[in-house]
Amino acid sequence: AQSVTQLGSHVSVSEGALVLLRCNYSSSVPPYLFWYVQYPNQGLQLLLKYTTGATLVKGINGFEAEFKKSETSFHLTKPSAHMSDAAEYFCAVSNAGNNRKLIWGLGTSLAVNP
Amino acid sequence: KAGVTQTPRYLIKTRGQQVTLSCSPISGHRSVSWYQQTPGQGLQFLFEYFSETQRNKGNFPGRFSGRQFSNSRSEMNVSTLELGDSALYLCASSLAQGMNTEAFFGQGTRLTVV
Repeated sequence: AQSVTQLGSHVSVSEGALVLLRCNYSSSVPPYLFWYVQYPNQGLQLLLKYTTGATLVKGINGFEAEFKKSETSFHLTKPSAHMSDAAEYFCAVSNAGNNRKLIWGLGTSLAVNP
Repeated sequence: KAGVTQTPRYLIKTRGQQVTLSCSPISGHRSVSWYQQTPGQGLQFLFEYFSETQRNKGNFPGRFSGRQFSNSRSEMNVSTLELGDSALYLCASSLAQGMNTEAFFGQGTRLTVV
C-alpha cells in the first residue's frame, strides 16, 4: 500500500529564507508524486508533479522538488520565502495508472515571518 | 474560463439526515473526483467519475455515493449523516483520467453535522 509522510506539521521561516518542506513516501510501484498548496478557504492548487524523466521538477511560484528514489523522498524547496507563500502544503502519491486515487500526506502549514 | 464550482459552500445538517453536494467541472473536463478533508485524517479519496461511470472508489462506507451526468456535472450524496462526516468536501476536475492530466480543485463544500 502507498503512504505519504510529511515531516513537520508546522514550519516557520523568515521572509527571504530557504523553504524546505519534507515528504517521504512508500510505494511498491513507480510513483507519481505531487505537491499541492492550499490557501485559507480555498481549494488545492497544483505546485508541481513528478511522473517520469528528470528528477528535479520545477513548479510555479519558484518552488521545486527533487525525486530521490533511494531515499523515497520528494522534498519541496524554494530559495527565498515570500509572505505570500504562507499556506498549507500537501504532498501526494499515486501509482502510475489510469486512476486518480491520490494518497495524501497530512499537510505542512508554512508560516512566513517578516 | 470558469473554474470548478462547488455548491453549496457551507451546509449544516442534523445527524441522520442526508445531503447532496454538487460539483460543476471546468468546461470540457470529463473526469471528476471527490475528496474528504478533515483535520485528523487529512485528505481522503472518495471516488472518481469519468464519462458517467465510477472508475475508482476509496474506502468509505456505502452511505457515500455519487453520480455523474452527461454534462460531466457530478453530485455526491451522503445518507444517514454522522457527526464524523463533518468535513470539507473537495471536488476536482480534469480533462481525462490518469495522472498526466492536471486536476483542478474547487473551493469545497464545508459540511457540519450537528
